[in-house]
Amino acid sequence: GDSVTQMEGPVTLSEEAFLTINCTYTATGYPSLFWYVQYPGEGLQLLLKATKADDKGSNKGFEATYRKETTSFHLEKGSVQVSDSAVYFCALRAGTASKLTFGTGTRLQVTL
Amino acid sequence: DAGVIQSPRHEVTEMGQEVTLRCKPISGHDYLFWYRQTMMRGLELLIYFNNNVPIDDSGMPEDRFSAKMPNASFSTLKIQPSEPRDSAVYFCASSFRVGDGYTFGSGTRLTVV
Repeated sequence: GDSVTQMEGPVTLSEEAFLTINCTYTATGYPSLFWYVQYPGEGLQLLLKATKADDKGSNKGFEATYRKETTSFHLEKGSVQVSDSAVYFCALRAGTASKLTFGTGTRLQVTL
Repeated sequence: DAGVIQSPRHEVTEMGQEVTLRCKPISGHDYLFWYRQTMMRGLELLIYFNNNVPIDDSGMPEDRFSAKMPNASFSTLKIQPSEPRDSAVYFCASSFRVGDGYTFGSGTRLTVV
Protein backbone atom coordinates (compact mmCIF):
# COMPACT_ATOMS: atom_id res chain seq x y z
CA GLY A 1 0.00 0.00 0.00
CA ASP A 2 0.89 3.66 -0.08
CA SER A 3 3.17 4.93 2.65
CA VAL A 4 5.27 7.92 3.66
CA THR A 5 8.42 7.74 5.76
CA GLN A 6 9.79 10.82 7.49
CA MET A 7 12.96 11.30 9.46
CA GLU A 8 12.60 10.96 13.20
CA GLY A 9 12.47 14.10 15.26
CA PRO A 10 12.85 16.25 17.07
CA VAL A 11 15.15 18.32 14.93
CA THR A 12 16.79 21.11 16.90
CA LEU A 13 18.49 23.96 15.04
CA SER A 14 19.82 27.38 15.80
CA GLU A 15 18.20 30.35 14.11
CA GLU A 16 19.51 30.96 10.57
CA ALA A 17 20.66 27.35 10.19
CA PHE A 18 19.88 25.29 7.09
CA LEU A 19 16.98 22.86 7.40
CA THR A 20 16.42 19.53 5.71
CA ILE A 21 13.62 17.15 6.69
CA ASN A 22 13.74 13.93 4.74
CA CYS A 23 10.65 12.31 3.25
CA THR A 24 10.44 9.21 1.09
CA TYR A 25 7.35 7.52 -0.21
CA THR A 26 5.95 4.32 -1.66
CA ALA A 27 2.96 4.60 -3.96
CA THR A 28 1.30 3.13 -6.98
CA GLY A 29 1.10 5.36 -9.99
CA TYR A 30 2.15 8.99 -9.85
CA PRO A 31 1.16 10.61 -6.58
CA SER A 32 0.83 14.24 -5.69
CA LEU A 33 3.09 15.17 -2.78
CA PHE A 34 2.50 17.64 0.02
CA TRP A 35 4.10 19.20 3.06
CA TYR A 36 1.87 20.34 5.90
CA VAL A 37 2.87 22.33 8.97
CA GLN A 38 1.17 22.23 12.37
CA TYR A 39 1.87 25.01 14.85
CA PRO A 40 1.12 24.37 18.52
CA GLY A 41 -2.58 24.21 19.24
CA GLU A 42 -3.58 24.54 15.60
CA GLY A 43 -4.69 22.37 12.71
CA LEU A 44 -2.47 21.33 9.83
CA GLN A 45 -1.83 23.93 7.15
CA LEU A 46 -0.76 23.18 3.63
CA LEU A 47 2.78 24.47 3.21
CA LEU A 48 3.57 23.40 -0.35
CA LYS A 49 2.84 20.75 -2.93
CA ALA A 50 4.10 19.18 -6.15
CA THR A 51 2.02 17.17 -8.56
CA LYS A 52 4.53 15.64 -10.96
CA ALA A 53 8.14 14.55 -11.19
CA ASP A 54 10.76 17.34 -11.02
CA ASP A 55 8.19 19.89 -9.84
CA LYS A 56 9.40 22.15 -7.07
CA GLY A 57 6.93 23.37 -4.51
CA SER A 58 7.82 26.48 -2.54
CA ASN A 59 6.27 28.74 0.08
CA LYS A 60 7.52 31.02 2.87
CA GLY A 61 11.15 30.18 2.05
CA PHE A 62 10.54 26.43 2.18
CA GLU A 63 11.15 24.26 -0.87
CA ALA A 64 10.74 20.62 -1.84
CA THR A 65 11.44 18.89 -5.15
CA TYR A 66 9.51 15.84 -6.36
CA ARG A 67 12.21 13.25 -7.13
CA LYS A 68 10.66 10.25 -8.83
CA GLU A 69 13.96 8.40 -9.24
CA THR A 70 14.61 8.42 -5.50
CA THR A 71 10.91 8.54 -4.46
CA SER A 72 11.69 11.49 -2.24
CA PHE A 73 10.27 14.91 -1.39
CA HIS A 74 12.70 16.44 1.11
CA LEU A 75 11.78 19.74 2.73
CA GLU A 76 14.46 22.45 2.85
CA LYS A 77 14.85 25.98 4.06
CA GLY A 78 17.99 28.05 3.81
CA SER A 79 17.64 29.98 7.06
CA VAL A 80 15.18 28.94 9.74
CA GLN A 81 13.55 31.27 12.24
CA VAL A 82 12.23 30.66 15.73
CA SER A 83 8.74 31.09 14.27
CA ASP A 84 9.30 27.99 12.10
CA SER A 85 9.16 25.79 15.19
CA ALA A 86 6.33 23.36 14.47
CA VAL A 87 5.59 19.81 13.40
CA TYR A 88 6.00 19.11 9.70
CA PHE A 89 4.08 16.34 7.92
CA CYS A 90 4.86 14.87 4.54
CA ALA A 91 1.89 13.39 2.67
CA LEU A 92 0.92 11.87 -0.63
CA ARG A 93 -2.26 11.48 -2.61
CA ALA A 94 -1.84 8.57 -5.02
CA GLY A 95 -3.41 8.52 -8.47
CA THR A 96 -7.16 8.80 -8.21
CA ALA A 97 -7.18 8.16 -4.46
CA SER A 98 -9.38 10.49 -2.52
CA LYS A 99 -7.46 10.49 0.71
CA LEU A 100 -4.03 11.67 1.78
CA THR A 101 -1.51 9.31 3.34
CA PHE A 102 0.50 11.13 6.02
CA GLY A 103 3.89 10.53 7.51
CA THR A 104 4.31 10.50 11.27
CA GLY A 105 5.48 14.10 11.44
CA THR A 106 8.81 15.68 12.35
CA ARG A 107 9.04 18.19 15.15
CA LEU A 108 11.32 21.16 14.48
CA GLN A 109 12.60 23.28 17.34
CA VAL A 110 14.50 26.45 16.44
CA THR A 111 16.43 28.25 19.18
CA LEU A 112 18.02 31.67 19.34
CA ASP B 1 -13.80 32.20 3.00
CA ALA B 2 -13.84 31.40 6.70
CA GLY B 3 -12.15 28.07 6.19
CA VAL B 4 -13.20 24.80 7.79
CA ILE B 5 -15.06 25.55 11.00
CA GLN B 6 -15.16 23.10 13.87
CA SER B 7 -17.04 23.31 17.14
CA PRO B 8 -16.54 23.16 19.98
CA ARG B 9 -12.81 23.95 20.27
CA HIS B 10 -12.61 22.14 23.59
CA GLU B 11 -14.88 19.54 25.14
CA VAL B 12 -14.55 17.95 28.55
CA THR B 13 -17.02 15.22 29.34
CA GLU B 14 -17.48 12.35 31.71
CA MET B 15 -17.04 8.75 30.71
CA GLY B 16 -20.27 7.30 29.37
CA GLN B 17 -21.65 10.58 28.06
CA GLU B 18 -22.49 11.25 24.45
CA VAL B 19 -20.23 13.66 22.59
CA THR B 20 -21.02 15.38 19.30
CA LEU B 21 -18.38 17.19 17.28
CA ARG B 22 -19.37 19.47 14.44
CA CYS B 23 -17.80 20.57 11.21
CA LYS B 24 -18.65 23.03 8.47
CA PRO B 25 -16.52 22.47 5.37
CA ILE B 26 -15.48 25.08 2.86
CA SER B 27 -18.30 25.84 0.46
CA GLY B 28 -17.90 23.92 -2.80
CA HIS B 29 -15.58 21.28 -1.42
CA ASP B 30 -16.74 17.80 -2.37
CA TYR B 31 -14.74 15.82 0.15
CA LEU B 32 -14.88 15.87 3.93
CA PHE B 33 -12.53 13.98 6.23
CA TRP B 34 -12.50 13.28 9.95
CA TYR B 35 -9.12 12.63 11.61
CA ARG B 36 -8.04 11.90 15.15
CA GLN B 37 -4.63 12.91 16.49
CA THR B 38 -2.93 11.53 19.58
CA MET B 39 0.65 11.45 20.75
CA MET B 40 0.70 7.67 20.67
CA ARG B 41 -0.94 7.03 17.31
CA GLY B 42 -0.37 10.25 15.39
CA LEU B 43 -2.93 11.21 12.74
CA GLU B 44 -5.60 8.62 12.02
CA LEU B 45 -8.22 8.90 9.29
CA LEU B 46 -11.56 7.91 10.77
CA ILE B 47 -13.97 8.38 7.88
CA TYR B 48 -14.43 10.44 4.76
CA PHE B 49 -17.34 11.57 2.63
CA ASN B 50 -17.69 12.48 -1.02
CA ASN B 51 -20.72 14.53 -1.98
CA ASN B 52 -22.21 13.81 1.46
CA VAL B 53 -21.91 10.03 1.03
CA PRO B 54 -19.61 8.05 3.37
CA ILE B 55 -16.94 6.41 1.23
CA ASP B 56 -14.56 4.80 3.69
CA ASP B 57 -15.27 4.32 7.38
CA SER B 58 -12.67 1.62 7.96
CA GLY B 59 -10.83 3.88 10.39
CA MET B 60 -13.74 4.27 12.77
CA PRO B 61 -12.50 2.54 15.90
CA GLU B 62 -15.71 0.83 16.93
CA ASP B 63 -19.47 1.03 16.96
CA ARG B 64 -19.40 3.76 19.56
CA PHE B 65 -18.31 6.14 16.80
CA SER B 66 -20.66 7.37 14.10
CA ALA B 67 -20.51 10.16 11.54
CA LYS B 68 -23.09 11.83 9.38
CA MET B 69 -23.18 14.43 6.66
CA PRO B 70 -26.80 15.44 6.15
CA ASN B 71 -25.92 18.16 3.66
CA ALA B 72 -22.95 19.71 1.90
CA SER B 73 -22.32 22.26 4.63
CA PHE B 74 -22.44 20.22 7.81
CA SER B 75 -21.07 17.04 9.33
CA THR B 76 -21.07 15.52 12.79
CA LEU B 77 -18.93 12.94 14.54
CA LYS B 78 -20.63 11.32 17.50
CA ILE B 79 -19.18 9.16 20.25
CA GLN B 80 -21.64 7.29 22.41
CA PRO B 81 -20.74 6.27 25.05
CA SER B 82 -17.44 8.10 25.40
CA GLU B 83 -14.42 6.54 27.11
CA PRO B 84 -11.19 8.04 28.45
CA ARG B 85 -9.21 6.46 25.59
CA ASP B 86 -11.21 8.62 23.16
CA SER B 87 -9.39 11.68 24.48
CA ALA B 88 -7.65 13.24 21.48
CA VAL B 89 -7.78 16.16 19.08
CA TYR B 90 -10.33 15.56 16.35
CA PHE B 91 -9.81 17.35 13.05
CA CYS B 92 -12.15 17.88 10.17
CA ALA B 93 -10.76 18.67 6.73
CA SER B 94 -12.27 19.35 3.33
CA SER B 95 -11.02 19.20 -0.23
CA PHE B 96 -12.28 20.32 -3.60
CA ARG B 97 -11.17 17.41 -5.74
CA VAL B 98 -8.85 14.46 -6.06
CA GLY B 99 -5.26 15.70 -6.32
CA ASP B 100 -5.81 18.77 -4.18
CA GLY B 101 -4.57 19.05 -0.65
CA TYR B 102 -6.88 19.37 2.29
CA THR B 103 -7.87 22.40 4.31
CA PHE B 104 -8.01 21.51 7.99
CA GLY B 105 -10.11 22.99 10.72
CA SER B 106 -8.58 24.07 14.02
CA GLY B 107 -9.69 20.88 15.72
CA THR B 108 -11.70 19.89 18.77
CA ARG B 109 -9.71 18.85 21.82
CA LEU B 110 -11.75 16.18 23.56
CA THR B 111 -11.03 15.13 27.11
CA VAL B 112 -13.03 12.27 28.59
CA VAL B 113 -12.63 11.94 32.36
